[in-house]
Amino acid sequence: NAGVTQTPKFQVLKTGQSMTLQCAQDMNHNSMYWYRQDPGMGLRLIYYSASEGTTDKGEVPNGYNVSRLNKREFSLRLESAAPSQTSVYFCASKTGGAFFGQGTRLTVV
Amino acid sequence: SQKIEQNSEALNIQEGKTATLTCNYTNYSPAYLQWYRQDPGRGPVFLLLIRENEKEKRKERLKVTFDTTLKQSLFHITASQPADSATYLCALLTTDSWGKFQFGAGTQVVVTP
Repeated sequence: NAGVTQTPKFQVLKTGQSMTLQCAQDMNHNSMYWYRQDPGMGLRLIYYSASEGTTDKGEVPNGYNVSRLNKREFSLRLESAAPSQTSVYFCASKTGGAFFGQGTRLTVV
Repeated sequence: SQKIEQNSEALNIQEGKTATLTCNYTNYSPAYLQWYRQDPGRGPVFLLLIRENEKEKRKERLKVTFDTTLKQSLFHITASQPADSATYLCALLTTDSWGKFQFGAGTQVVVTP
């Protein structure tokens, strides 16, 4: 039982490049989330999906897009990366308590 | 504006003592509150959930209280051990948040032998 799996674990991008962070969960949860974590700022919600086919903006959605491909997968896309998007990104799925992936460490140079 | 506040200063505590962490919130109508543990380089791990109509929850050496009048939750680690050293996060799900939950910035706990 893998839980929540994120790929990649590390990524370096140049300003203006695009990429997609992948997330998959095998716990049959309806709710899935994308957070970013920056030093001193805690976890901030980027996007949320209550169920397959639905998404909602969180606290910091600018510069990101998401796709809830099916019940298992929820991807996060950076269309044109900026240095301000350097962060650690966590995907989570939830029923009651949330289960988090191991995170993606993204550096934009 | 809505805020969730945790003590940003690290809590240094001796092994065997009780560590008590605070989570305060403003301008929320809470449905329930959660506590997580996060180790360096890892994702948060869910520990406990307490609903707005519950006063106290326990799990092994962990105890959580929730006072909606004071807008505060307390998280206790009794008989603390060096392995309890980590950052502890509180998260709040509100009645009007449509399933979204917000995190505090976390408090680091350091347990020394």
